[in-house]
Amino acid sequence: GQNIDQPTEMTATEGAIVQINCTYQTSGFNGLFWYQQHAGEAPTFLSYNVLDGLEEKGRFSSFLSRSKGYSYLLLKELQMKDSASYLCAVLDSNYQLIWGAGTKLIIKP
Amino acid sequence: GAVVSQHPSWVICKSGTSVKIECRSLDFQATTMFWYRQFPKQSLMLMATSNEGSKATYEQGVEKDKFLINHASLTLSTLTVTSAHPEDSSFYICSARDSREGLYEQYFGPGTRLTVT
Repeated sequence: GQNIDQPTEMTATEGAIVQINCTYQTSGFNGLFWYQQHAGEAPTFLSYNVLDGLEEKGRFSSFLSRSKGYSYLLLKELQMKDSASYLCAVLDSNYQLIWGAGTKLIIKP
Repeated sequence: GAVVSQHPSWVICKSGTSVKIECRSLDFQATTMFWYRQFPKQSLMLMATSNEGSKATYEQGVEKDKFLINHASLTLSTLTVTSAHPEDSSFYICSARDSREGLYEQYFGPGTRLTVT
């Protein structure tokens, strides 16, 4: 079956760095997405990785290792507004998005 | 950037009535649109994949006669919740995928909060 695992909840301090991991086992792979979802709102796109390596975009970076079925989202200089759920999703061989359950990130002052 | 609108943003209806939710891609064409449901503190659950000009593909456990999906144009898909019941109260979110080849990112609408009394 298809499976995406990410931690349920993480806590970090304002100004710090946090890494949210995602491991996947899917039927085929056509890329991995990270989305941010604030409570009561729809998800917003953060990043897309299809090749191995690190993609940096401002305070957010996303890493992919296809051989290990592993990705992480790195958030630097955390701000209170970064408190949200972070969703990992893999595009499978049928170009369907398989969603992880999301990681709720709590930022403390 | 690509924008997806959803209407209404919230709706309250009485049990037994039907509610229609619209999803529009505003600045791109979307051959494929997706309908999700999300209960409080839970993950997104894909309900169905809507393809322009053809019947929607429903996920296992989703009643196609209850959740009617129409994707009549490349920019509009509608979800109608028929004979709504309180257990259908949820956050319904649509997303759209750009039709251009090689683009697989889904752009999400702002969601519709449905409350059935």
